[in-house]
Amino acid sequence: LAKTTQPISMDSYEGQEVNITCSHNNIATNDYITWYQQFPSQGPRFIIQGYKTKVTNEVASLFIPADRKSSTLSLPRVSLSDTAVYYCLVGDLSRKGGKLIFGQGTELSVKP
Amino acid sequence: GAVVSQHPSWVICKSGTSVKIECRSLDFQATTMFWYRQFPKKSLMLMATSNEGSKATYEQGVEKDKFLINHASLTLSTLTVTSAHPEDSSFYICSASDGRADEQFFGPGTRLTVL
Repeated sequence: LAKTTQPISMDSYEGQEVNITCSHNNIATNDYITWYQQFPSQGPRFIIQGYKTKVTNEVASLFIPADRKSSTLSLPRVSLSDTAVYYCLVGDLSRKGGKLIFGQGTELSVKP
Repeated sequence: GAVVSQHPSWVICKSGTSVKIECRSLDFQATTMFWYRQFPKKSLMLMATSNEGSKATYEQGVEKDKFLINHASLTLSTLTVTSAHPEDSSFYICSASDGRADEQFFGPGTRLTVL
């Protein structure tokens, strides 16, 4: 299973762009990269997923370099409500025994 | 999007009793369900993986006789904490997958407090 490493915490201000990078050096060929957001006492919420290059949706962008050994979640113009823990997960649920292991996550604090 | 529910959302029980937590996939068939537990200010820890109709696979260090998991149908998995003790107090979260590489949906979690 690919191990992920993220910064433990980050601070930002409202309106700024926030980039959180995740390292996953031993990512496997069929592994996807998925980012989740979690608020206290809630289940994780899906943000974005990608396999390679760049993916963008209505809330975030995900940048994945060619070697796929890292990925960067980009949150444009954060607000106070984006204060949460962000997790990067790497894995392939389609194979037998596939599972996703959570790393420590990044606690993002957005200040006014 | 796909929805996963958990019941109850919170439960308080006395030490020594058993507690059952249900995890349901509401609008898709979950070939695999996962159970996590989370302590305050900590990350989610995978406890076990369950596939419909077969025995659950437990992670190292998780007592299978204490945390009984049943995945009887493609939409329901249950976690029973047997003979609960205060150290079992935690936030339990389930997730479900329909077997595709890019799909895992999380439930809202169940807060268990053992007195």
